[in-house]
Amino acid sequence: SQQGEEDPQALSIQEGENATMNCSYKTSINNLQWYRQNSGRGLVHLILIRSNEREKHSGRLRVTLDTSKKSSSLLITASRAADTASYFCATASNTGKLIFGQGTTLQVKP
Amino acid sequence: GAGVSQSPSNKVTEKGKDVELRCDPISGHTALYWYRQSLGQGLEFLIYFQGNSAPDKSGLPSDRFSAERTGGSVSTLTIQRTQQEDSAVYLCASSLARGGSQETQYFGPGTRLLVL
Repeated sequence: SQQGEEDPQALSIQEGENATMNCSYKTSINNLQWYRQNSGRGLVHLILIRSNEREKHSGRLRVTLDTSKKSSSLLITASRAADTASYFCATASNTGKLIFGQGTTLQVKP
Repeated sequence: GAGVSQSPSNKVTEKGKDVELRCDPISGHTALYWYRQSLGQGLEFLIYFQGNSAPDKSGLPSDRFSAERTGGSVSTLTIQRTQQEDSAVYLCASSLARGGSQETQYFGPGTRLLVL
């Protein structure tokens, strides 16, 4: 079962612009994670934000978490063509089982 | 060291046949997960191994699906009497220690299964 909704489902921007993706979830969480997937194959872990954190940065990535609204956002600044991929948020159970959102497909045009 | 590897990369089979999908986790990773990604259902959890035991099999969609792990390393996902709705990309992931919500999972490239 899917954890929640991500929006937009698809996003197309020019290189250099910022990209913002949103994720909502349904249950209480320990943390929320973001993954990237290229070409429909393996996922790469990007960043993890804990439930007691509100914002986290990693390079050009900025993640926010609002537990009162059960939502998170991923911001990619100064996007590059290589950022073209699908992005998924996921919450983890105590055993680590990941429950994924629907994903946002990002296209960055050179 | 090497990442998570999966084989085969692609598998085409006929409806009703059995298939085996293999996952080699990162050496030393004790937790191993199988997920499935299909157009209609998105990314879904299938099963979790801690060592050779599977404390969470809740995602296996039917009794045609089974998995095992031997030597705390390689895992095999078996689908018996495949159906067209089994067509999907099957992803394996491993993490270092006991699993858990704080652990980073490292994913393999997946096996793309097509059932004709």
